Amino acid sequence: QQQVKQSPQSLIVQKGGISIINCAYENTAFDYFPWYQQFPGKGPALLIAIRPDVSEKKEGRFTISFNKSAKQFSLHIMDSQPGDSATYFCAAYSGGSNYKLTFGKGTLLTVNP
Amino acid sequence: DAGVIQSPRHEVTEMGQEVTLRCKPISGHDYLFWYRQTMMRGLELLIYFNNNVPIDDSGMPEDRFSAKMPNASFSTLKIQPSEPRDSAVYFCASSWTVNTEAFFGQGTRLTVV
Repeated sequence: QQQVKQSPQSLIVQKGGISIINCAYENTAFDYFPWYQQFPGKGPALLIAIRPDVSEKKEGRFTISFNKSAKQFSLHIMDSQPGDSATYFCAAYSGGSNYKLTFGKGTLLTVNP
Repeated sequence: DAGVIQSPRHEVTEMGQEVTLRCKPISGHDYLFWYRQTMMRGLELLIYFNNNVPIDDSGMPEDRFSAKMPNASFSTLKIQPSEPRDSAVYFCASSWTVNTEAFFGQGTRLTVV
């Protein structure tokens, strides 16, 4: 059972464009939603994260939009740059006594110069 | 700090052989996680430790997989006997608490032929 569904699988954007990656979840116990960025040959690294008490979080060119009622969240990369080319993973975390960080399948982003 | 250190970076082994992957977490981190990444299944949590104690190993695929954490600065993931379907990138990650950022190592790419 895939608890976090991510789309698209791959995305090609021109330099300066906006990249949008979407995720949806089912488990209402999730209470923390991070996005990870992974470059080839490297481990995932935390990019930005949001909690469900806010609808948007912005850090530089990266913005998370969160829709709690629809159980969806998305990553927007403004003014996309070739250096942003990487695989992006959304994730959802349910805490309490049993840790569970569930990842989406990933989106391969290519930003053309 | 040098971050999470994994060794080896690459491992090629024959089916049936024992494979041991190693991880040194970031000093002071109480949580250690082992993940497996494949194209088909994405990032999967295999097992995690809190203060060297295994908390949840429900993600370990089979009895052929075992993990230990003999002290706060070292963990191993062992596969015995290895099979071609075990081929994947294995990541180790660590964090201060269960709901803070997890820092990933660079991974071990395992190929079982």
